[in-house]
Amino acid sequence: TQLLEQSPQFLSIQEGENLTVYCNSSSVFSSLQWYRQEPGEGPVLLVTVVTGGEVKKLKRLTFQFGDARKDSSLHITAAQPGDTGLYLCAGRAGGFKTIFGAGTRLFVKA
Amino acid sequence: DSGVTQTPKHLITATGQRVTLRCSPRSGDLSVYWYQQSLDQGLQFLIQYYNGEERAKGNILERFSAQQFPDLHSELNLSSLELGDSALYFCASSVGWASNQPQHFGDGTRLSIL
Repeated sequence: TQLLEQSPQFLSIQEGENLTVYCNSSSVFSSLQWYRQEPGEGPVLLVTVVTGGEVKKLKRLTFQFGDARKDSSLHITAAQPGDTGLYLCAGRAGGFKTIFGAGTRLFVKA
Repeated sequence: DSGVTQTPKHLITATGQRVTLRCSPRSGDLSVYWYQQSLDQGLQFLIQYYNGEERAKGNILERFSAQQFPDLHSELNLSSLELGDSALYFCASSVGWASNQPQHFGDGTRLSIL
């Protein structure tokens, strides 16, 4: 069974702090995606990483795909209250079944 | 606005009943995905359709069924409802079926079983 494990499950930090959340698996994924979900809304795609070792930046967010394509991380620099939300990683290893991690719930206090 | 439309937004019904959830994908998207999100299970993939045909099946119960119509909209039918079926049901769409294509999610249907 392919699983994506996210850590931490919950993170509460002050505005301006940096943080990293992780998405790990024992399986190889052809690509991984990161989504952010706010209450009452559907997940919104942030980024897709495809190549092992790939690093992508989206303003203050930096995404990295592990060399072996089994894990990924999301680093946020100088977090802001607007970053508050549920961060989900998702991937499809073989076949077409999409797997989501349980998510990291981030709360950034002003 | 993702361009994916789900109706209804809220649905309250009783155990044993049957409901139909509807999804209109983004214009031009051929794939539709259905997900169930509950507090204790996270976001669970149910089923994917591509251009009218079933493409992938996840943890979908036999009491649940789905289809995609020629105009590409999709319906998820839930029958013999149980209390545990209470959840948010999301539909997502993408242009194709490839693994690295982004999925665009609707705002979900909140199903409450009393």
